[in-house]
Amino acid sequence: QKEVEQDPGPLSVPEGAIVSLNCTYSNSAFQYFMWYRQYSRKGPELLMYTYSSGNKEDGRFTAQVDKSSKYISLFIRDSQPSDSATYLCAMRYTGNQFYFGTGTSLTVIP
Amino acid sequence: DADVTQTPRNRITKTGKRIMLECSQTKGHDRMYWYRQDPGLGLRLIYYSFDVKDINKGEISDGYSVSRQAQAKFSLSLESAIPNQTALYFCATSARGNEKLFFGSGTQLSVL
Repeated sequence: QKEVEQDPGPLSVPEGAIVSLNCTYSNSAFQYFMWYRQYSRKGPELLMYTYSSGNKEDGRFTAQVDKSSKYISLFIRDSQPSDSATYLCAMRYTGNQFYFGTGTSLTVIP
Repeated sequence: DADVTQTPRNRITKTGKRIMLECSQTKGHDRMYWYRQDPGLGLRLIYYSFDVKDINKGEISDGYSVSRQAQAKFSLSLESAIPNQTALYFCATSARGNEKLFFGSGTQLSVL
């Protein structure tokens, strides 16, 4: 079993829709949770960063961590064509390497 | 703007050739990483370095070597390239005590 599981999609939504992206994980020691956005042929860029459980909001983006279920989510409100990208979840525990999901490809249709 | 720069951006080479990918950063971070990205497999760690004298193997280090020439420079070498090393390669950096990775723009490597 992989440490981090992420549905690859692809996911296609109309402009203005609410998007929900999810990852599950198996290692209960993970404490730091991240979402990266990657445009085609570009490096991943950090979008959201949370420590432990709870919600974090930044503009149209909300990151949610449920450690009891080993489940993290990224919600995008009022999605825009510029949100079309691959979204990677990532996590780590103190002093150790990062573990990435395989990424979910999102297309927002105008 | 503080950045992570990778060269070259694209490279085509032949089986058996030696190739080096270079990474430099102006972020002042002490930690540097090399990842490769393959469709359906995501990002996999090849090597990482927490300072100039520290080099560690990652998940898939076989067939690769690295050199940390300075705090700001970390290069990845393929001693004898093979076709299954065709992938998108990323350099990344992080600062001690800050659990965030910053990536370069990547090198698309094709081994024929």
